[in-house]
Amino acid sequence: EADIYQTPRYLVIGTGKKITLECSQTMGHDKMYWYQQDPGMELHLIHYSYGVNSTEKGDLSSESTVSRIRTEHFPLTLESARPSHTSQYLCASSDRGAFGYTFGSGTRLTVV
Amino acid sequence: GQQLNQSPQSMFIQEGEDVSMNCTSSSIFNTWLWYKQDPGEGPVLLIALYKAGELTSNGRLTAQFGITRKDSFLNISASIPSDVGIYFCAGLNYGGSQGNLIFGKGTKLSVKP
Repeated sequence: EADIYQTPRYLVIGTGKKITLECSQTMGHDKMYWYQQDPGMELHLIHYSYGVNSTEKGDLSSESTVSRIRTEHFPLTLESARPSHTSQYLCASSDRGAFGYTFGSGTRLTVV
Repeated sequence: GQQLNQSPQSMFIQEGEDVSMNCTSSSIFNTWLWYKQDPGEGPVLLIALYKAGELTSNGRLTAQFGITRKDSFLNISASIPSDVGIYFCAGLNYGGSQGNLIFGKGTKLSVKP
């Protein structure tokens, strides 16, 4: 049973729209992450957070932004969606002292 | 930065065959993890390895943490159709990458019934 939830699962949206992808976890994990995954399979880290009010950019440059106002919530926002943003976005979390990440089911974003 | 080389990139096998995939790195890792991603879902942790030389099994899956701490392999015995998916290795170095996992590029497994 999933303890990390992403909504929506699928989203088709027009170019120029502002969108927010939601990610919430009920495990009390300090660390949270956003990955972008294209059909080529590779996972690209775009944002991460080590706790409330902490956000960092990942290895892959992204036009998206994130916020961490509450421990359980780590939303990702695109101010103006473009077709190049079409991808799968995966959220994950981990405990400060634990190993391994728990992933959400992902949001499949299509920008037309 | 640290990188993991995962191979093979993809595999087509007959049901019932054994499968082997591996990850190598030029860097030392303190922890190796193996994940499976089913189509349309997020990756799920299969096996975690914490000591060099460690061999761990989870049902038909067996994984080993290489002695040099620079590699790991995953074996699947007697593959079945539900083994289809993408398998990722991941490494953790406490002192590097800010404590974040480093992921391999994945091995896509397809099984012929």
